[in-house]
Amino acid sequence: AQSVAQPEDQVNVAEGNPLTVKCTYSVSGNPYLFWYVQYPNRGLQFLLKYITGDNLVKGSYGFEAEFNKSQTSFHLKKPSALVSDSALYFCAGPNNAGNMLTFGGGTRLMVKP
Amino acid sequence: DAGVIQSPRHEVTEMGQEVTLRCKPISGHNSLFWYRQTMMRGLELLIYFNNNVPIDDSGMPEDRFSAKMPNASFSTLKIQPSEPRDSAVYFCASSEPGQNTGELFFGEGSRLTVL
Repeated sequence: AQSVAQPEDQVNVAEGNPLTVKCTYSVSGNPYLFWYVQYPNRGLQFLLKYITGDNLVKGSYGFEAEFNKSQTSFHLKKPSALVSDSALYFCAGPNNAGNMLTFGGGTRLMVKP
Repeated sequence: DAGVIQSPRHEVTEMGQEVTLRCKPISGHNSLFWYRQTMMRGLELLIYFNNNVPIDDSGMPEDRFSAKMPNASFSTLKIQPSEPRDSAVYFCASSEPGQNTGELFFGEGSRLTVL
């Protein structure tokens, strides 16, 4: 079973508005979690990661994610969306055996002008 | 560093033909992963290597698929014979020593179309 889940297939947001892409996890203990972005016809690119420490993690391109242990969530956020943020976003975490990274199903973010 | 390099970027072939996809990981990385991405199934891990040794190939769909890593700088994924349902984008990724659950560096992918 996957350790992370992305409940939304697609998120639509207007340019300039805040965006949130959701991720929940089911790993026990202290998980390490990642967000990756995939632009069209490209490979996945690392955005940010949470290992330990501050629950608010800042990453590339103005993105940040908040680790919430009580809600077992690691939502990706950005205060003001750009059209160029339109892409496929993947949450990732360790598999149940803890020996490799497993990815969520992906969420397509569409930012409209 | 040039990053993870995959070839070919695009491959169109006919059913029954052999397909070989190639990957050069980032120098110094000792873990290598092969993923397959389709609209229907999303991103699937096929196999991963650690220090050139296959560690987990449970994601390999069937015997038609095989992967090798003869040295630290080269890996192949072979499909023989290919079928239309193998059409997908195949990604190779690598990671630093001790980081197989850490940050992965992906290639640009090989888009395979089997007619």
